[in-house]
Amino acid sequence: QSALTQPPSASGSPGQSVTISCTGTSSDVGTYNYVSWYQQHPGKAPKLMIYEVSKRPSGVPDRFSGSKSGNTASLTVSGLQADDEADYYCSSYAGSNNPVVFGGGTKLTVL
Amino acid sequence: EVQLVESGGDLVQPGGSLRVSCAASGFTFSSYSMNWVRQAAGEGLEWLSYISSSSTSIYYADSVKGRFTISRDNAKNSLYLQMNSLRDEDTAVYYCARDGGGMAARRPYWYFDLWGRGTLVSVSS
Repeated sequence: QSALTQPPSASGSPGQSVTISCTGTSSDVGTYNYVSWYQQHPGKAPKLMIYEVSKRPSGVPDRFSGSKSGNTASLTVSGLQADDEADYYCSSYAGSNNPVVFGGGTKLTVL
Repeated sequence: EVQLVESGGDLVQPGGSLRVSCAASGFTFSSYSMNWVRQAAGEGLEWLSYISSSSTSIYYADSVKGRFTISRDNAKNSLYLQMNSLRDEDTAVYYCARDGGGMAARRPYWYFDLWGRGTLVSVSS
């Protein structure tokens, strides 16, 4: 069982927006602004999309945005494109004992 | 080209040992902290271990603490994960991943900005 809870699936039509949630606790997401999001296409390595809740690495389109409220972080993908279809994973710092926890992943389908 | 390439994955019997490696190129490996992350087939990601650029700071996930050892050789631009007392549940693709804190970061930043393609470790009798 993953430490962070994500919906197993999400979907949207091209051009639409979709938001994926990532729910943790006051020991991880709720306390630390070290939430990151990764995109993984089948058979490929994960790719960093968002770090420190809402920052985008160079080269990631601004269609991808991140936010956090309380114990829940969110990834929003706007203007959906076919290539956005992938698995998305959130992660958070969770303290020095077990520093990094991941969510179980969300499969995003572009209809 | 900036890249990480894992190697050393193999089929191992339960209770056995294996060392996987990660070769870095295209960036100043000795200035970056590194991590290992794994993914079982059809499952999510699991962070395993972190090592600072100078090996002075090391962290492990509870699931591998005492069984796995992370190390690096900056002269060889290489990261390693020594895995002992392997269990069936250690079967996974093992990725090395660069810490996102940038060059000479003084602390972990706990996100991963560069990943390798992974190496498959299978534990089975």
